[in-house]
Amino acid sequence: DVHLVQSGAELKKPGATVKISCKISGITFTDHYIHWVRQAPGKGLEWMGLVDPEDGETVYAETFQGRVSINAVTTADTSYMEVSTLTSEDTAVYFCSASTTTLPYYWGQGTLITVSS
Amino acid sequence: DIQMTQSPSSLSASVGDRVTITCRTSQGINNFLAWFQQKPGKAPKSLIYGVSSLQSAVPSRFNGSGSGTDFTLTISSLQPEDFATYYCQQYNSYPLTFGQGTRLEVK
Repeated sequence: DVHLVQSGAELKKPGATVKISCKISGITFTDHYIHWVRQAPGKGLEWMGLVDPEDGETVYAETFQGRVSINAVTTADTSYMEVSTLTSEDTAVYFCSASTTTLPYYWGQGTLITVSS
Repeated sequence: DIQMTQSPSSLSASVGDRVTITCRTSQGINNFLAWFQQKPGKAPKSLIYGVSSLQSAVPSRFNGSGSGTDFTLTISSLQPEDFATYYCQQYNSYPLTFGQGTRLEVK
C-alpha cells in the first residue's frame, strides 16, 4: 500500500514561517515527482510546485516563487515544503501528492495551517 | 498560465440522473486533461487522465470526453457516493492549473 503521511496542523502568527513534511512509503521515492497543492477554506485547489527527488529539481508556480521552498530528502523518503512570511491568506489545507508523471496521483491526508495573530 | 473555466459551479441532481460538467481551457493542452473528485475533509481522488482514460478502480459510469479546449465529464447514472466536488486539471504545462470546481449536491 502507498502512504503519504503529512505532519500535523499548525497555528502560526503573521510573518512566521511554516515547514510541512510528507513521509512517503510503498513506492520508490526517487521515481516520483512530489507535488504540493493547497486549498483555502471553502475554496478550490491551487498547485504550488513540485520537486523531483531524483535530482532535487524544483518547479514553482509564479505566485509562490521566492516565498515557498520544496525539497526532498531521499534518505528519509520525505518531502518538505516551507512557506515564509505567512499572512492570513495562507490559511489553508496543504496537500502533498506523488506521481510518476506531472499528474498528481497518490495524496497525503492534508495539513491545516492557520495563520492568525 | 492556462486558465481553466469549469461549469456549472454547482449542480443539484438525484440518484440515477445523468450529469455533465464542462471544462474549457484558455489554450490547447495536448489532451493532458484530468478530472478529480473531492469529498469534504478528504484529499482529491484522480478519476480520469488523458481526457478519457479511467484510473484504476474508477466505475465505468464516469466518462471523460473532449478535445482541443473543450472537455466534459459525464456521470451516466449517479450513485449516492458520487455527491462530491469535481475539478478538472490541465497537466500539459507548468503551473498545473485546476478549474474552480463543481459541487454536485443531492436534489
